[in-house]
Amino acid sequence: KQEVTQIPAALSVPEGENLVLNCSFTDSAIYNLQWFRQDPGKGLTSLLLIQSSQREQTSGRLNASLDKSSGRSTLYIAASQPGDSATYLCAATGAGSYQLTFGKGTKLSVIP
Amino acid sequence: GAVVSQHPSWVICKSGTSVKIECRSLDFQATTMFWYRQFPKQSLMLMATSNEGSKATYEQGVEKDKFLINHASLTLSTLTVTSAHPEDSSFYICSAKYRGLAEAFFGQGTRLTVV
Repeated sequence: KQEVTQIPAALSVPEGENLVLNCSFTDSAIYNLQWFRQDPGKGLTSLLLIQSSQREQTSGRLNASLDKSSGRSTLYIAASQPGDSATYLCAATGAGSYQLTFGKGTKLSVIP
Repeated sequence: GAVVSQHPSWVICKSGTSVKIECRSLDFQATTMFWYRQFPKQSLMLMATSNEGSKATYEQGVEKDKFLINHASLTLSTLTVTSAHPEDSSFYICSAKYRGLAEAFFGQGTRLTVV
């Protein structure tokens, strides 16, 4: 059974800093890996999706990498802003089932 | 990206009553829909997977008679929480996927409070 772990559980950084969020998964047989943002009491906003054949994806200040062999993905946020404060979730999509297994998330606080 | 609309965004109901949550794909045909539940400070946990026109597949520990899922069309799935109790209070989120797409799209979520 797939297990997804995110480290750290919470992170607080001053505005302008670059930061890295980590995600690890136990079963490398994934279809893709997605990073989401969740604001308090809200639904999910998809940030980046990396296909199993890809190594990374970029969108603006966000860059996500995927290393299937080691079961790891990272989300890099450049020049963080207070508006980036949210919980970031990674989810691995099982190959064949298309079911997403989520990590518990990293709660990010960017201090002005 | 594709839009998934979930309704209502929040609901308060009395213990013992039933609540229906709707999930609609607005601009694509959702061949598969997923229902998740999220308790405070926990991650999303998959409850069930439904394919259009067939019965939902429930995850272990999820009572199929309590959480009724209907996926009667390619744009609508409903989750009915029957005889709700306070422990059913949670955040419920649906996601929809089209067969040819790699990505699943999520609704806005429904905050259910049972009093």
